[in-house]
Amino acid sequence: AQKITQTQPGMFVQEKEAVTLDCTYDTSDPSYGLFWYKQPSSGEMIFLIYQGSYDQQNATEGRYSLNFQKARKSANLVISASQLGDSAMYFCAMREPSIQGAQKLVFGQGTRLTINP
Amino acid sequence: DAGVIQSPRHEVTEMGQEVTLRCKPISGHDYLFWYRQTMMRGLELLIYFNNNVPIDDSGMPEDRFSAKMPNASFSTLKIQPSEPRDSAVYFCASSPWANQETQYFGPGTRLLVL
Repeated sequence: AQKITQTQPGMFVQEKEAVTLDCTYDTSDPSYGLFWYKQPSSGEMIFLIYQGSYDQQNATEGRYSLNFQKARKSANLVISASQLGDSAMYFCAMREPSIQGAQKLVFGQGTRLTINP
Repeated sequence: DAGVIQSPRHEVTEMGQEVTLRCKPISGHDYLFWYRQTMMRGLELLIYFNNNVPIDDSGMPEDRFSAKMPNASFSTLKIQPSEPRDSAVYFCASSPWANQETQYFGPGTRLLVL
């Protein structure tokens, strides 16, 4: 069963506009974490933002914010004032519970974001 | 500070050959992860280590794959014998104990098995 769903294979946005990348997740564990990573064409995976399931407020990191709606099991990434350099693949991921303490990340299929000048 | 280092960055080999991928985690990080990325299956966790000890290898596809971490600063992922379906990008990532929420990824090794 797919645990992370990203329904937008691709998105095209005009520069300087805000963009929302969708992510829904499925878990029955009350303790979990949600992540967003960026993968530019060069291939590296860049950590963007993290939201814990018990966090009361939505996470923010500069132009990135995570719209966390727990009841809907959604964790959408919002990028404000998009820039050409934001063009990349974006992956949503969820930490699976682990008795060993470390995190096992399960990734969605990704959304390819293209920013048009 | 140096990030996660992987070598080689690109590898082309023939079916049946042994392939060894290498990873140097960020100094001081207690956890090390190996991932594989393909178009069909996306990003998959293969195995992870805590303090050099393999904790979970349930993602390792089959016996042809093996991973070791002889010390805190070095890990290998070996495929023997390699097959064309092993072609993928292999990522190594590390995470500190104090901040388990963030995994820092290396640049990846792009493997092509002919």
